[in-house]
Amino acid sequence: AQKITQTQPGMFVQEKEAVTLDCTYDTSDQSYGLFWYKQPSSGEMIFLIYQGSYDEQNATEGRYSLNFQKARKSANLVISASQLGDSAMYFCAMREDPRRGGKLIFGQGTELSVKP
Amino acid sequence: DAGVIQSPRHEVTEMGQEVTLRCKLISGHNSLFWYRQTMMRGLELLIYFNNNVPIDDSGMPEDRFSAKMPNASFSTLKIQPSEPRDSAVYFCASSLRDTEAFFGQGTRLTVV
Repeated sequence: AQKITQTQPGMFVQEKEAVTLDCTYDTSDQSYGLFWYKQPSSGEMIFLIYQGSYDEQNATEGRYSLNFQKARKSANLVISASQLGDSAMYFCAMREDPRRGGKLIFGQGTELSVKP
Repeated sequence: DAGVIQSPRHEVTEMGQEVTLRCKLISGHNSLFWYRQTMMRGLELLIYFNNNVPIDDSGMPEDRFSAKMPNASFSTLKIQPSEPRDSAVYFCASSLRDTEAFFGQGTRLTVV
């Protein structure tokens, strides 16, 4: 069965520093997708970054990068040059092979606090 | 496109009443997900559809919950009868077959 694990309930980072949010996953699929979402205190879910299981290069989107280590089944999010506006909940998610239905499940989330 | 639209944004109802949550997908999207978010249980996948067909409803808590897609762009999640433990934020999200999902703003449900 699919599973996403985020082991850090809360993280603190100093403004302008980089931070890594951990995510490990479990699946028997060969084809799957990994995603990170941000949920600020206002409650909306904002898509940040995507990594396909066959992508050989780590995904990057501006200050976000996804450190994909397939053999270790980890998909950590790296935020560079943290800003106060980065304070939010961050969720890792995995989408199963679309040929098996494409279920999308989420981890428990990590609450990131950026200190001035 | 206006994005995924959920209504109502807030709902307060009395225990035992029927509640219907609504979701309009992004045009052209063919996957639809319903989630429930609580502090205790996080983001739970309740049910999802591909091309209007329910694929997996194993996350639906019990028979009081039902979901439908009467057409390709619209879905409802119904709770009948509602209970206080159903209080949560309910999200729907839509996507293409294997891409990122886009979320609605959520419906905050309070059952008193």
